[in-house]
Amino acid sequence: DVKVTQSSRYLVKRTGEKVFLECVQDMDHENMFWYRQDPGLGLRLIYFSYDVKMKEKGDIPEGYSVSREKKERFSLILESASTNQTSMYLCASSPLWRGTSGNTIYFGEGSWLTVV
Amino acid sequence: GEDVEQSLFLSVREGDSSVINCTYTDSSSTYLYWYKQEPGAGLQLLTYIFSNMDMKQDQRLTVLLNKKDKHLSLRIADTQTGDSAIYFCAEADSWGKLQFGAGTQVVVTP
Repeated sequence: DVKVTQSSRYLVKRTGEKVFLECVQDMDHENMFWYRQDPGLGLRLIYFSYDVKMKEKGDIPEGYSVSREKKERFSLILESASTNQTSMYLCASSPLWRGTSGNTIYFGEGSWLTVV
Repeated sequence: GEDVEQSLFLSVREGDSSVINCTYTDSSSTYLYWYKQEPGAGLQLLTYIFSNMDMKQDQRLTVLLNKKDKHLSLRIADTQTGDSAIYFCAEADSWGKLQFGAGTQVVVTP
């Protein structure tokens, strides 16, 4: 089974702190994604990466950065956490999209971040 | 991004069929997905359909796609209490980036 593991399930951080959310997948997937989930808004894409050291902005990248130094690991960084970044963060991975293959996208269990 | 819309709430009796509806706007979507989320958990991939198909069946789940109307539905046959959850509809672009609806809360009553 595909496994997408997010290292922290629950975090509480102070305003202004630097926060790292780590995600590891074990299926050699090229694509990795970070989403944010808020009630009534569904999930919104923050950043995605289609290869090592490659990154692309999603719909809501402001206040976030990412790092992908190894294929299996994709980190989300909040340089200076703010209270409006309190949310659930979900990591996902998928194989490279190629026509009719590479169509499965798997999610981790989520990281609940509270910024106080 | 493009909008994906779904109703927010559905109540269904145990043993009945549930139908969750979704509309999307991006005609270039390649795949359309249904995910299930139980309280406090991540998203579980239920099923997906390629945009050139109009129906897919997988055990108790039936997905119908009307590409002309950009309408997607998920039917759950013989709904059980374990089916109570939030269900998300999502469309994927050619990179695999997903655009989600706000989710439909399904409550199964005895």
